[in-house]
Parts: sequence; C-alpha cells; structure tokens
Amino acid sequence: EDQVTQSPEALRLQEGESSSLNCSYTVSGLRGLFWYRQDPGKGPEFLFTLYSAGEEKEKERLKATLTKKESFLHITAPKPEDSATYLCAVSPGSNYKLTFGKGTLLTVNP
Amino acid sequence: DVKVTQSSRYLVKRTGEKVFLECVQDMDHENMFWYRQDPGLGLRLIYFSYDVKMKEKGDIPEGYSVSREKKERFSLILESASTNQTSMYLCASTDREQPQHFGDGTRLSIL
Repeated sequence: EDQVTQSPEALRLQEGESSSLNCSYTVSGLRGLFWYRQDPGKGPEFLFTLYSAGEEKEKERLKATLTKKESFLHITAPKPEDSATYLCAVSPGSNYKLTFGKGTLLTVNP
Repeated sequence: DVKVTQSSRYLVKRTGEKVFLECVQDMDHENMFWYRQDPGLGLRLIYFSYDVKMKEKGDIPEGYSVSREKKERFSLILESASTNQTSMYLCASTDREQPQHFGDGTRLSIL
C-alpha cells in the first residue's frame, strides 16, 4: 500500500528564517512525486513534479528535492505570503491516482 | 490554464437527501477524480474516472456514486446523505503526464 508521511504537521517561522518540509514515501513504482500548496478555503495549487532521485526543481523561494525514500521542500527567506498548507503526493507507475500526505501547515510571521 | 469548476462553494443539505456535486473541466482531460478532505485525515480518493462512462472506486467509495456522461463533466452523488459526509469535496482532472488540477472545492454540511 502506498504511504506518504509529512513532517512536521505545523511549522511557524519568522520572515526570512529558512527551513525545510519533509515528505517520506513508500510506493510501488514511483511515476512522480508532487508538491501542492493549499490556501484556506481553496483547492490545492500545483507547485512541482519530481520524477527521479536526485532531481531538483525551483520556483521563487521554493526548492524541491527527491531521494529514493523522501522529498524535501526547502523554503529560503520566506515571506508571510508563503503561509499555507503544503501537500505532498505520490503517483504509482500504473495510473494517475495520487496518494496524499496530511500536509504541513506553514505560518510565516512578519 | 486548466480550469476546474465546481458548481457550488457551499452547500447545506439534510440527512437522507440525495445530493449532487458537479465538476466541469475545460481542458479535454480524460481522467477526473473526486476527493474529500477532512482535518487530520488529509485528502482521500472517493472515485475516479478515466473515460466517459468509466469509473473506478477509490479508497472510500461507500455511500457515494458517480456519473460521467460527458468527458468534461464528473458528478459525485450522495445517495442518502448522512452527517458523517459533512466535508470539503474536491474535484481534479489530469491527462497523460500532467499534474492533477483541482477545483476550489465544495464545503458540504449535512444537518
């Protein structure tokens, strides 16, 4: 059974204080690992897809990395507008279904 | 940009009612999904469809059914609503190697 565990459940940072979110996974043949951002009352918004160990993707203050067992979302010098819930999901090799982690609630204080 | 539209943002229904949640996507995607999202439980897959009139059960299909008569539209049906179906419902679509794109959700309350 595919499993995704995200840590920490919640993270509070000061503006400018860099940190990382973790996503550990077990999946039967990884097709892709996905990061999403979700604001309160809205649907998840796609950020990154990672396909193979060693791959990295960047977007503004966010950088996602992937190993064979986990992915990290690094946030460099965060701003209050980066506050959101960050979701990690994996897709097995055979179809387009996603298994989601429970998310990390990030709060960035000014 | 992919647009996934859910017909209602907020919905209040009574126990025992038959409830329809509608989702429309504008990118001709083959695959569509229904999830529910609950605090502490995350997103859980209810049903998905990989083609018109095709459907497959997800992880928590009990109490739900779906309909896909046209490629762009995927409906979730609560046959007889119960209070434990109070939740945020999210629809998504995708095609080939694209990521899933989500609608903004329907917050459903069953009284």
